[in-house]
Amino acid sequence: TQLLEQSPQFLSIQEGENLTVYCNSSSVFSSLQWYRQEPGEGPVLLVTVVTGGEVKKLKRLTFQFGDARKDSSLHITAAQPGDTGLYLCIGGNNRKLIWGLGTSLAVNP
Amino acid sequence: DVKVTQSSRYLVKRTGEKVFLECVQDMDHENMFWYRQDPGLGLRLIYFSYDVKMKEKGDIPEGYSVSREKKERFSLILESASTNQTSMYLCASSWSETGELFFGEGSRLTVL
Repeated sequence: TQLLEQSPQFLSIQEGENLTVYCNSSSVFSSLQWYRQEPGEGPVLLVTVVTGGEVKKLKRLTFQFGDARKDSSLHITAAQPGDTGLYLCIGGNNRKLIWGLGTSLAVNP
Repeated sequence: DVKVTQSSRYLVKRTGEKVFLECVQDMDHENMFWYRQDPGLGLRLIYFSYDVKMKEKGDIPEGYSVSREKKERFSLILESASTNQTSMYLCASSWSETGELFFGEGSRLTVL
């Protein structure tokens, strides 16, 4: 059963544009992690959020955890080709990790 | 640099062959995981291990077994490979069952 919905599934934008991707669930999570995966490589952790309403920034990336800890968003400002990849969110709860299917982002020069 | 190393980046095997995928981590992590990743299905947990010689089935353990004889090494075994096991296999390790995952580069297995 897929408990984490990510949207959009695919996104193709031009360099310099802003974008937001979403991760939604009906379940409450104790933590939520965002990873980026480049083609042919394993995912790499970007951020972990644990507190409802928490906002974390990583250069041009802004992550927000929903107040109810059921959803999260990732906003990228002025996207660059190096941001291209698969963005995955995973929720942690009760010794278990729940994965979303990811948002595949292509940033064109 | 912390590192998770998978033994083979690319493998091609025939149906019925036995396949070993090895994973080594240098971070002294208790927890190690094997996932497979398929388009449209995301990452699915095959097995995980929370200590030496300890293992738990994940969401799709059928057709796979694992071995963890040493803390740093976690092996995935396909006793008799089948074409539906063609996939990208990812090993990961972590301090805790739900903490940050450190992934290897992946092993892309093709079963003919």
